[in-house]
Amino acid sequence: DAKTTQPPSMDCAEGRAANLPCNHSTISGNEYVYWYRQIHSQGPQYIIHGLKNNETNEMASLIITEDRKSSTLILPHATLRDTAVYYCIVTPRGGNKLVFGAGTILRVKS
Amino acid sequence: GAGVSQTPSNKVTEKGKYVELRCDPISGHTALYWYRQSLGQGPEFLIYFQGTGAADDSGLPNDRFFAVRPEGSVSTLKIQRTERGDSAMYLCASSFMSSGAGANVLTFGAGSRLTVL
Repeated sequence: DAKTTQPPSMDCAEGRAANLPCNHSTISGNEYVYWYRQIHSQGPQYIIHGLKNNETNEMASLIITEDRKSSTLILPHATLRDTAVYYCIVTPRGGNKLVFGAGTILRVKS
Repeated sequence: GAGVSQTPSNKVTEKGKYVELRCDPISGHTALYWYRQSLGQGPEFLIYFQGTGAADDSGLPNDRFFAVRPEGSVSTLKIQRTERGDSAMYLCASSFMSSGAGANVLTFGAGSRLTVL
């Protein structure tokens, strides 16, 4: 699996957009970018995934650079409940073991 | 059920004892995963079932760990001769799809926290 690099932590003001970066410079052509988050004392929660086009759902937006070597997860209006560890994972399509790194701890502050 | 159910939520045992952790996936989900998470780290893959069979057990750390899914729904993770290093949160996840990009969209349970004294 391609490796990802994420900043260990970030702070964001409540109501502001949270932009979480991820570098995946060795991503292969058949690998997707997945984002999960884990709120304290809960299991990970799927957020969004994409291959090369930007994606948006009710939770977030995913912006993938044209060369696919990096991506950004955007939470448009962060709330205190978005405080969590955010994991960026790249893996081929199909049933696979997801390889979680250390992720980014996002702290949303009032 | 509405989500992935794991029992027990907490288990405290003594070194050397046998432990079983149960996972009840979302109804109709054919793929089932077990992960282990130590404090401050991301989840670590253990084993993946597609139906009743283990499609990938490469993450099981040693032969003390074993998992079954006899009828393709409920799964049990079994740990023999527990050691203090086995203390962790054990997470189960399931997926409706077995192929395509959607196969990696997993729904996780809340986990079973195992403490080995």
